[in-house]
Amino acid sequence: SQQGEEDPQALSIQEGENATMNCSYKTSINNLQWYRQNSGRGLVHLILIRSNEREKHSGRLRVTLDTSKKSSSLLITASRAADTASYFCATDGLYGNKLVFGAGTILRVKS
Amino acid sequence: DVKVTQSSRYLVKRTGEKVFLECVQDMDHENMFWYRQDPGLGLRLIYFSYDVKMKEKGDIPEGYSVSREKKERFSLILESASTNQTSMYLCASSPATRGPHGELFFGEGSRLTVL
Repeated sequence: SQQGEEDPQALSIQEGENATMNCSYKTSINNLQWYRQNSGRGLVHLILIRSNEREKHSGRLRVTLDTSKKSSSLLITASRAADTASYFCATDGLYGNKLVFGAGTILRVKS
Repeated sequence: DVKVTQSSRYLVKRTGEKVFLECVQDMDHENMFWYRQDPGLGLRLIYFSYDVKMKEKGDIPEGYSVSREKKERFSLILESASTNQTSMYLCASSPATRGPHGELFFGEGSRLTVL
């Protein structure tokens, strides 16, 4: 069963614009993670936000978490063509013993 | 840097064949995982292991088995491949944690086609 669901499914923007992707989940969590996947490759960890945190930054990435709404957003500022990839959120669920991934958002940044 | 290596990037097998997908990690991680990835479905957990010779079923274990004889190696086995097992298979590892699940380190994936 999918815990996280990303929205939108696909996003196309111009280079320099900001990209926002959303993730909703169903059960209580300990933490939520975001991963990136370039076409045909493995996933790379971007950022982890704990359930007691509301916002976290890493370079051009900003992640927010609203546990009352069971949702998170990933903002990529000043996007670049190299940011073109699929982005996945993953949650550890109530018992924290495994990560469950959403279906992902496909981001295309046009130069 | 952590490296997770999957032995084959692309495989083509016939229905009924036995298929082995190998995964090796070089950072002494306790935890290892096998996921399959299909369009629109994201990643689904097949099996995972917290220690040598230990395995636990994930969300979709049917038709698969695993082996972990050494800490660094986690193998996924399709006893009799079927066309609905055509997919991208991703191996991942992570260090043991007492608390919540931490970051996963992924291999490059193995794209399996079953004819």
